Amino acid sequence: KAGVTQTPRYLIKTRGQQVTLSCSPISGHRSVSWYQQTPGQGLQFLFEYFSETQRNKGNFPGRFSGRQFSNSRSEMNVSTLELGDSALYLCASSLQGNSNQPQHFGDGTRLSIL
Amino acid sequence: DAKTTQPPSMDCAEGRAANLPCNHSTISGNEYVYWYRQIHSQGPQYIIHGLKNNETNEMASLIITEDRKSSTLILPHATLRDTAVYYCIVRSYLMNRDDKIIFGKGTRLHILP
Repeated sequence: KAGVTQTPRYLIKTRGQQVTLSCSPISGHRSVSWYQQTPGQGLQFLFEYFSETQRNKGNFPGRFSGRQFSNSRSEMNVSTLELGDSALYLCASSLQGNSNQPQHFGDGTRLSIL
Repeated sequence: DAKTTQPPSMDCAEGRAANLPCNHSTISGNEYVYWYRQIHSQGPQYIIHGLKNNETNEMASLIITEDRKSSTLILPHATLRDTAVYYCIVRSYLMNRDDKIIFGKGTRLHILP
C-alpha cells in the first residue's frame, strides 16, 4: 500500500510570491492534516480536512489556506510568502481522523523563501 | 502548549532496550497516548498508541502507568537505525473543533555502537 505522497519535495520561492503544495493520502484515508515544522517552533498544526471540509484549524494567519478534493487529495496554499514561512510542510492522513486512528505522515515539502 | 514532557536527549547502547519516558500528568480520561519518531529529512513515523492498557506491536511496547500520568516507550533491541527524535503526544478521542495535535520537542535518542 503506497504511503502519503507529497509534491514537490523541494521548492524555492521569493518573498511576496504564493505557493501550492500537494498531498495524496493513503488509499482509503479520508482525513488529511497539514503541519509546519521549523527548527525554532517544532511541529505545528495548520489544519485538517475531512470530506472536503475544513474540520479543524491551528493558529496560523489567513495567508495559509487549504482544500480537499472528492478523492481526498489535498492542497495547501500560502500567499504573500514571508521569509519566516521557510519550513518543512508535512501532510498526514488517517482513515477518518478519529483520535484512536493513527496519522501517517509523508516526507514533506521543504519550502525555502529567498 | 504541549501536554507532554520528555527528556531532551538519551543515549542507548546498540542491542540493549531503549526506554523512553514521557510525562503527561494532566492527561484526561478520553486522551490516547501516541508515539511517533522522526529520522532526519523524513516525516514522523507512527510507532504505537494506547489508552490505558499496555500495548505491543512489531516495533515497540508502550507501558502506561495505572494513573495514566506517565508512559514509557520500549524499543526492545535498539539498532543504529533507531537513532531519531521520538515524540510523545496525547490526543482526545472525542473529536471536536479544538482537537489539535500538539507536538512537544521530543527526545533525541542516540544509539551508540
